[in-house]
Order: sequence, then structure tokens, then C-alpha cells
Amino acid sequence: SQTIHQWPATLVQPVGSPLSLECTVEGTSNPNLYWYRQAAGRGLQLLFYSVGIGQISSEVPQNLSASRPQDRQFILSSKKLLLSDSGFYLCARDRRGGYTFGSGTRLTVV
Amino acid sequence: AQSVTQLGSHVSVSEGALVLLRCNYSSSVPPYLFWYVQYPNQGLQLLLKYTTGATLVKGINGFEAEFKKSETSFHLTKPSAHMSDAAEYFCAVSRGDSSYKLIFGSGTRLLVRP
Repeated sequence: SQTIHQWPATLVQPVGSPLSLECTVEGTSNPNLYWYRQAAGRGLQLLFYSVGIGQISSEVPQNLSASRPQDRQFILSSKKLLLSDSGFYLCARDRRGGYTFGSGTRLTVV
Repeated sequence: AQSVTQLGSHVSVSEGALVLLRCNYSSSVPPYLFWYVQYPNQGLQLLLKYTTGATLVKGINGFEAEFKKSETSFHLTKPSAHMSDAAEYFCAVSRGDSSYKLIFGSGTRLLVRP
């Protein structure tokens, strides 16, 4: 199985509050993992990717951070949310020939 | 650097009509190309992919796409649209080597009229 679990499915948070989105992966060990954000009316923007425990690469400067404390766990965080952080966040793992995506978390910052 | 351009943020077709979603890519190395479909509030599902070999690839739900290197295109087609095809479609490109980072287009929303 190559299942990816994301939670929560939806989240409404006030501006300035912290954020923690979790992604866990079943299946093979040492997967490459990715966080994407999809803003309203826009495509998918790669935020972070990780090739192993403790290894995080950031694609764009922003108010978010990522961590990989365990092989199959990938966490997206923020200390203080901004309105512009609203969007649909997707976790993915890669396999030769494509990605497998989680079901996503819709974040609304109010 | 790689990039993907999807022409048309919205495409509307009648049920039973041909579906054509356009995708052009830019890549300095032989690309891997993908089409994904996204239904509302869900993750993305792989429709089809081109890696090497045959340039016409067939995917799920009757979709197919043709890799045309000379035109740097990978357009998605389906002969006859069904109401259930209404969704958002994303074209994506990755390097055909050990780096599997996907670069996505901005997406095309397909509307199917009864």
C-alpha cells in the first residue's frame, strides 16, 4: 500500500495562530515527501520536499516551515498564520512514474 | 529550469463532444510528463504518464495524451466527454533522472454541459 494520510481535512484558524499539519505515509521506507499548496484559482506550488529524516528543502521563502521527525512523517508548521496562508495543502510522495497524493487539508485563515 | 503552461483556465464542452486540454512544457533534459485529475476537495489522481517509449499514452477513464517533442506539447484528449469528467486537470513535468520533483501547470477546469 502507498497510502498517504493527512489531517485534519479542514481547518479554520485565526490570523497569528500557530499551525501544524501532519502527513504520514504507509508502504516503503525512506520515501521522498512533498508539501504543495493550492491557492484559490491557482495551480500547485511546491513548498517543501524531504529526501529523508531531518532533511528539508524549501522551494519558496514564506511564513511556513517543515520537519521530518520520522521516516514516514512529514509536518508543515507555522508560528503565526497570515491570511495569505489560506489554501489547500497536499502532501505527496514520489514513485518512479508519478506521485501519490494525500486527500489534502483545506486551511482557512480568518 | 522546467515549466508547464496550460492554455485555458476553463474549458467547456458538451456531453459526448471531444475533450482537448492543452499543455506545453519547457525542459532542458528529456522530461517525464503527467496528467492529474482533481475532484473538489480531494487530492490529485494520476490519469496517465509519459516516461519513455511510445509517445501516445493511454490512461484511465478513456483519456490519452501524445508527447510531441518538436512541439514541446503533451495535450490531453478524450473522444467523448462524460458528465463525470467534470473536474480540474493538471499537467506536470519532472526531470527524467533521479530528481522526481514535479512542476505543475496552473490547471484547467473542465466543465461538461448536458
